[in-house]
Amino acid sequence: EVQLVESGGALVQPGGSLRLSCAASGFPFSKFEMNWVRQAPGKGLEWLSYVSTASGDIYYADSVKGRFTVSRDSAKNSLYLQMNSLRTEDTAVYYCAGVRNWNEGWFDPWGQGTLVTVSS
Amino acid sequence: EIVMTQSPASLSVSPGERATLSCRASQSVGSNLAWYQQKPGQAPRLLIYGASARATGIPARFSGSGSGTEFTLTISSLQSEDFAIYYCQQYNNWPPFTFGPGTKVDIK
Repeated sequence: EVQLVESGGALVQPGGSLRLSCAASGFPFSKFEMNWVRQAPGKGLEWLSYVSTASGDIYYADSVKGRFTVSRDSAKNSLYLQMNSLRTEDTAVYYCAGVRNWNEGWFDPWGQGTLVTVSS
Repeated sequence: EIVMTQSPASLSVSPGERATLSCRASQSVGSNLAWYQQKPGQAPRLLIYGASARATGIPARFSGSGSGTEFTLTISSLQSEDFAIYYCQQYNNWPPFTFGPGTKVDIK
């Protein structure tokens, strides 16, 4: 079964840090380019970050550039998102999602999401 | 950045009726457009990619059309499990990947 499972979401104070993880199984993780997408409560989907298969290409949305860092460990079939200098507007469900290759940029599969709440 | 818009914002449809959802891009994205379905408390699910190709396991009542800047998702005969929010996403010119704001389809 194809599966992505996020973890690490929590309640954190503004200015704090958090590291999210995404564990993959049931598909060739090392061959998929990976992304983080978030959804604020009651809002739409916002793409945050992309990492290529060998981590040679990494991109961020302007809203998180300089604060968030994406990484992957294909030996562990895992994707990570280090989030620093968190703001209240970062409160959202965070999803990891795969892309087959840069030319086929639709997101599939998706994880179930992990909730990050930034509040004092 | 390519801005995606969707209309209508919400749509009330009776079961068995046809639903037509629109997505527009601020500049041409060719056929590099995907549609997703999201139900409350769930992750998005890929329905359509390449503007018109159904993803694996997606019923034939879902169809996508369009190219360039204008796209349509049609649900030919709405079933109870189809009431959800639908998002379009372009992947022609990225980063960033961009999503539309969504169309909520609810029961009339």
